Amino acid sequence: AQSVTQLDSQVPVFEEAPVELRCNYSSSVSVYLFWYVQYPNQGLQLLLKYLSGSTLVKGINGFEAEFNKSQTSFHLRKPSVHISDTAEYFCAVIRRGYQKVTFGTGTKLQVIP
Amino acid sequence: EPEVTQTPSHQVTQMGQEVILRCVPISNHLYFYWYRQILGQKVEFLVSFYNNEISEKSEIFDDQFSVERPDGSNFTLKIRSTKLEDSAMYFCASTLGQGAGEQFFGPGTRLTVL
Repeated sequence: AQSVTQLDSQVPVFEEAPVELRCNYSSSVSVYLFWYVQYPNQGLQLLLKYLSGSTLVKGINGFEAEFNKSQTSFHLRKPSVHISDTAEYFCAVIRRGYQKVTFGTGTKLQVIP
Repeated sequence: EPEVTQTPSHQVTQMGQEVILRCVPISNHLYFYWYRQILGQKVEFLVSFYNNEISEKSEIFDDQFSVERPDGSNFTLKIRSTKLEDSAMYFCASTLGQGAGEQFFGPGTRLTVL
């Protein structure tokens, strides 16, 4: 079975500062990796995904993530955050060939003006 | 842009009552899912549905839960006899293909069991 660990439950950061949200996963088989964002009182929106190929993937709203197979990590980064980035971010995996998405516990990003 | 819709946005029910949560997936999608998120906890997979049958389910999805696609557009989650611990946000999702296909999530239904 696969699992996802997001060590940081909350990350405060000043506006225009860079941010990294950490995600580690474990799986005995190949997985696809995702980051979702959840704004207050809304559903989950896909930020980006890694399926194969280049390990650096770019998503919406200026976010990017890098897949590191040796460290089993998929950290999310943004070079300069905006107030509107305040939300909860979920890292998620799907085992290849399966349908169940396994989510991490989420990281609340609080952007401080 | 097509989107997944869910109704109602908030459902309040008494313990022991049956509830039906409704979802309209994106029209050409073939795989449908239900997830739940208990307040303050992570999003958990409940069930996936394809070709009019359950293709995968979690240990949470016991006999109190059932899913149905009663017509060509709706996808429902029924909880037969609600318990206090069923209080959560329930998300519906759909995808065109299996596995790598992005699952598009609806805005959720907040279920409160009193």
